[in-house]
Amino acid sequence: KQEVTQIPAALSVPEGENLVLNCSFTDSAIYNLQWFRQDPGKGLTSLLLIQSSQREQTSGRLNASLDKSSGRSTLYIAASQPGDSATYLCAEGAQKLVFGQGTRLTINP
Amino acid sequence: DTEVTQTPKHLVMGMTNKKSLKCEQHMGHRAMYWYKQKAKKPPELMFVYSYEKLSINESVPSRFSPECPNSSLLNLHLHALQPEDSALYLCASSQERTVKTEAFFGQGTRLTVV
Repeated sequence: KQEVTQIPAALSVPEGENLVLNCSFTDSAIYNLQWFRQDPGKGLTSLLLIQSSQREQTSGRLNASLDKSSGRSTLYIAASQPGDSATYLCAEGAQKLVFGQGTRLTINP
Repeated sequence: DTEVTQTPKHLVMGMTNKKSLKCEQHMGHRAMYWYKQKAKKPPELMFVYSYEKLSINESVPSRFSPECPNSSLLNLHLHALQPEDSALYLCASSQERTVKTEAFFGQGTRLTVV
């Protein structure tokens, strides 16, 4: 059974810093790894999808990497802004997504 | 257009009421999902519809009844709910039988059972 873990649960950094969010999974036979953003009380916004055959994906200031051998994915956010404050969730799977607990990110002006 | 639309945004219902949540997508996706999210927890899968047929039911109580009238619509019928069913209900969709199976979520329905 796949288990997905995100550490830390919360992170607070000053504006402008580059930062990395971590996601670990127990079963290396993954299908897809997807990163989402969730604002309080809102739905999930898809940020990046990494297929199992890929190593990384980039969108603007975001870069997600995947290392199946170590069971890890990272989300790199460059030049963070207060508008990046949200909860970031990673999820593994195809039809059934298994989510991590999320990292609540606060960017301080 | 990568939009999944859910209605209503908020719903308050009594334990004896019957209500329905609605979800719509026009991306041509053939898989649609219902997730439940409690406060400060990640979403948990409830149901999966694939080509308008129920393919996964995660042992959800029968007071939740999903329906997929066509490939663009997904409903969740609610009856005799309990206060602990109060949560954010999220609908999602994805393309099936392709390598890139990206899931897109709606904004959710905030349900309060009183």
